Amino acid sequence: DSGVTQTPKHLITATGQRVTLRCSPRSGDLSVYWYQQSLDQGLQFLIQYYNGEERAKGNILERFSAQQFPDLHSELNLSSLELGDSALYFCASSPQAGGLQPQHFGDGTRLSIL
Amino acid sequence: DQQVKQNSPSLSVQEGRISILNCDYTNSMFDYFLWYKKYPAEGPTFLISISSIKDKNEDGRFTVFLNKSAKHLSLHIVPSQPGDSAVYFCAASEPGNQFYFGTGTSLTVIP
Repeated sequence: DSGVTQTPKHLITATGQRVTLRCSPRSGDLSVYWYQQSLDQGLQFLIQYYNGEERAKGNILERFSAQQFPDLHSELNLSSLELGDSALYFCASSPQAGGLQPQHFGDGTRLSIL
Repeated sequence: DQQVKQNSPSLSVQEGRISILNCDYTNSMFDYFLWYKKYPAEGPTFLISISSIKDKNEDGRFTVFLNKSAKHLSLHIVPSQPGDSAVYFCAASEPGNQFYFGTGTSLTVIP
């Protein structure tokens, strides 16, 4: 158990809809990262938050947004969903914003767009 | 542009033998390298890491080697066990920056 909790585990919805994925980081971790893993792809970095502030942005679409709340949990919002958004979405956390420390991952949310 | 590459999608090894997983990178500014292990329906689990000031780091059966001149990273598992069967991802980062992940190598350890 990594200590990172993601909900829901599975989400099935239709094109054009909007969903919210939730992540609770490990106790004490201030940084939260979101990744997307499509079929046979590596983990694509989407966005990072550190202590409530956006820290870094990767290949995140404009239809996607995220935030980190004062209790440090984070939400990833995906809107105007398309078939190609079907993927595994992982959240990871680490104590600080960078440095020589690993990120610890949740078990992911599997999003299926019908 | 894939900055971290794992060119072998899969690898099969007999139990008790050595497993060698390889990873290449293109960015000479990377200073921190990690290996993650992933079982189906679970998130990646941190396995071992190495900073660019070292060329080897060992943790039990797992050893990571870093060849900075060749921009090459490898993970050695000795001896391999059936429980090691999983997908292995390598990752790299610049100082204080995001991680870049490879596409993974699926390791099967045959009993």
